[in-house]
Amino acid sequence: DSGVTQTPKHLITATGQRVTLRCSPRSGDLSVYWYQQSLDQGLQFLIQYYNGEERAKGNILERFSAQQFPDLHSELNLSSLELGDSALYFCASSVRPSSGLDRPRAYNEQFFGPGTRLTVL
Amino acid sequence: GQQLNQSPQSMFIQEGEDVSMNCTSSSIFNTWLWYKQDPGEGPVLLIALYKAGELTSNGRLTAQFGITRKDSFLNISASIPSDVGIYFCAGQLSRGSQGNLIFGKGTKLSVKP
Repeated sequence: DSGVTQTPKHLITATGQRVTLRCSPRSGDLSVYWYQQSLDQGLQFLIQYYNGEERAKGNILERFSAQQFPDLHSELNLSSLELGDSALYFCASSVRPSSGLDRPRAYNEQFFGPGTRLTVL
Repeated sequence: GQQLNQSPQSMFIQEGEDVSMNCTSSSIFNTWLWYKQDPGEGPVLLIALYKAGELTSNGRLTAQFGITRKDSFLNISASIPSDVGIYFCAGQLSRGSQGNLIFGKGTKLSVKP
């Protein structure tokens, strides 16, 4: 168990709909990353938040958005869904301040949640 | 964008055999990570490498950060059935708090008892 939780585990919806995926990082982790995993594209980085602020953006569609809340949990919003959006969506977290200055490596070690499987019909 | 070339794509081996897989890139990475993913689960971090030439072990797993910083390999010794899964390499270009991972396509390992 990585300590990262994601809900729901499975989501089935129709084209054109909007869904929200939720992630709770490991206790104390400040960074949250969202990744999309599809059969043909592998794991692709979508977006990163650090302590409530957007820090980096990857190949995230304009129909997708995310936010990180004061309690550090994050939500990924997917709208106007298309068949091609069907995939596994993973959240990962990293960076525990208590790791200390002698552990800058803590920034790099990302721990993944169990994922949300989204099926768009 | 940056890509990682991971090989082989799949391996089918006998229990007890050693396994070797690698990743190469045209970009220089500051960090290499190796993950294992079981069906229906999220990737699990196996080994993290931070320095060119670094060799790190985790039980029967050994990984190395290539001298050129453009490659890494993972070895599994004396494979067992529970080693079955998909192994991913991941590289990170930036240090610090901005550090998304770039993943290889994975190596699917099957172990025959």
